[in-house]
Amino acid sequence: EPEVTQTPSHQVTQMGQEVILRCVPISNHLYFYWYRQILGQKVEFLVSFYNNEISEKSEIFDDQFSVERPDGSNFTLKIRSTKLEDSAMYFCASSDRGPAKNIQYFGAGTRLSVL
Amino acid sequence: GQQLNQSPQSMFIQEGEDVSMNCTSSSIFNTWLWYKQDPGEGPVLLIALYKAGELTSNGRLTAQFGITRKDSFLNISASIPSDVGIYFCAGRSYNTDKLIFGTGTRLQVFP
Repeated sequence: EPEVTQTPSHQVTQMGQEVILRCVPISNHLYFYWYRQILGQKVEFLVSFYNNEISEKSEIFDDQFSVERPDGSNFTLKIRSTKLEDSAMYFCASSDRGPAKNIQYFGAGTRLSVL
Repeated sequence: GQQLNQSPQSMFIQEGEDVSMNCTSSSIFNTWLWYKQDPGEGPVLLIALYKAGELTSNGRLTAQFGITRKDSFLNISASIPSDVGIYFCAGRSYNTDKLIFGTGTRLQVFP
């Protein structure tokens, strides 16, 4: 069964460093998302991406965050200068359709630890 | 912002028992989704609901989209040990694909 894959599974970084989290969405999907989950809390929306541009973003997704689809298969989330409070699980999701009947399939996540 | 409140926060049940959990919101949603999350994994979709009043089953799972469009419930019948995990509801409003997740219900099943 097709799945969303994320790498690395765990990323440890020093505060102030840049990190890039990588995702390979399901191959025929066109809509891509990043969510995050701070330990023990609910999953929170960060950003949605379609047709090579951001379609929606949350208040969390500030200037330190950026997303890119550098080629036909990868979708990346970059955090320019990490802060301690960026420590969380980051989930990538993809869907084959827009808002109507949109079903998002999630990857297993990348655990980001900022020291 | 929009918030989804799930209850109960956690449940400890015996294998074979039925389980019921629900999700309520102050806002109207056009879609309700139920996901299960195992430790260290991403959310896995269980059931999707698209119409007010809709009742949908997936094996031992049944979910309903509330008539007011502000709530949804999930029932699990005859629970088994592999049902253990955290169950999240998620809602989507009209003309957005952003999912708003609930606070989660942690389910423990004892043999």
